[in-house]
Amino acid sequence: EIVLTQSPGTMSLSPGERATLSCRASQSLTSNYLAWYQQKPGQAPRLLIYGASIRATGIPDRFSGSGSGADFTLTITSLEPEDFAVYYCQHFTTSPYTFGQGTKLEIK
Amino acid sequence: QVQLVQSGVELKKPGASVKVSCKASGYPFPIYGLHWVRQAPGQGLEWMGWISPSNGHTIYTQKLQGRLTMTADTSTSTAYMELRSLTSDDTAVYYCARVVNSLTTAPGYWGQGTLVTVSS
Repeated sequence: EIVLTQSPGTMSLSPGERATLSCRASQSLTSNYLAWYQQKPGQAPRLLIYGASIRATGIPDRFSGSGSGADFTLTITSLEPEDFAVYYCQHFTTSPYTFGQGTKLEIK
Repeated sequence: QVQLVQSGVELKKPGASVKVSCKASGYPFPIYGLHWVRQAPGQGLEWMGWISPSNGHTIYTQKLQGRLTMTADTSTSTAYMELRSLTSDDTAVYYCARVVNSLTTAPGYWGQGTLVTVSS
């Protein structure tokens, strides 16, 4: 089973700042089969990025994904108030398609 | 537009089974795979499995193998997730989610979630 480790666990930033979230896999991911999600309390997750760097439809361009192999990053430039949420990564290389444990992005 | 509407809240006793439905609309149901994901209270997301509605092919997480069955009825555009021998550890919100497009396995359309509570 591939384990995804997200860091940091919690990140405290102010609106307008830049957020850099990390997702590290226990082994290299085939063809960058990695996605990022945003989840707010009481809501279903929202797909932000798939294929490591492809923004889903309707996702603002302040969200970007990068990385390859086993190290991936979600970057949010110039945080908006609505960006404070929990972020998860998930891989699709081999079953089980595990999620990382999440990074909580909170307002400083 | 793509919609996934799940069945309502369930309260079950330990040892019982639960079957959650996920009715799809707004797209050709057989074409896109569906995932099931759960989230225990205050916890992270857990991937449970995936089904191809066109042929019923499934992939389950080994953790739930033997207790989990996913099916899809193309005549009603409805997917089902059945979990048996429930314990309190199965208390969670259960989501169905459709892959976003034909280029990826990532789920981009999510149901509203179904709360399943297991308690005596």
